Amino acid sequence: KNEVEQSPQNLTAQEGEFITINCSYSVGISALHWLQQHPGGGIVSLFMLSSGKKKHGRLIATINIQEKHSSLHITASHPRDSAVYICAVGFSGGGADGLTFGKGTHLIIQP
Amino acid sequence: GAVVSQHPSWVICKSGTSVKIECRSLDFQATTMFWYRQFPKQSLMLMATSNEGSKATYEQGVEKDKFLINHASLTLSTLTVTSAHPEDSSFYICSALGLASYYEQYFGPGTRLTVT
Repeated sequence: KNEVEQSPQNLTAQEGEFITINCSYSVGISALHWLQQHPGGGIVSLFMLSSGKKKHGRLIATINIQEKHSSLHITASHPRDSAVYICAVGFSGGGADGLTFGKGTHLIIQP
Repeated sequence: GAVVSQHPSWVICKSGTSVKIECRSLDFQATTMFWYRQFPKQSLMLMATSNEGSKATYEQGVEKDKFLINHASLTLSTLTVTSAHPEDSSFYICSALGLASYYEQYFGPGTRLTVT
């Protein structure tokens, strides 16, 4: 069964803290996505990874293909980073498929 | 670039009626679009894959006769919820596959459907 596990489910931190959210998956993937969902429901795509590391502003995403694991880091966290962060993967030997989503990490950054 | 829109953003309808949701890629062509739904406090789940000019592929457990998908052009896919019931109330999101990056999916803002 193709599964995506995220941890932690809930995370509350103080402004300025370094945040790490983890994602593990069960089988080989074509690509892994990190998404951000705000209370209204809209989704923003943060990163798409198939290997290595990507950085955008205060956000960093890494993936270890051998260990089937990815992490999303937020440096110098801010209350506006409060949202649900979702890991999603495409399970496929080739080509692009619909994604399988983790349950999300509900992040709250307190001022 | 790579903007996907959905219309309407929210809709309330009566049980037994049909509702159409549009998903448009505004500045790129998308041969493949995906439809997802999210029930309260649950993960997003893939409903179907919509391919331009061909029949949609539905995930197990999704009724193709109830959730009609039409992908008539390279920029538009529609999802029609037929004979809606309260249990169809959900958040429906589409994504479009970019041609430039084969695995990159661009998400629409979502449509919240409430069936009374």
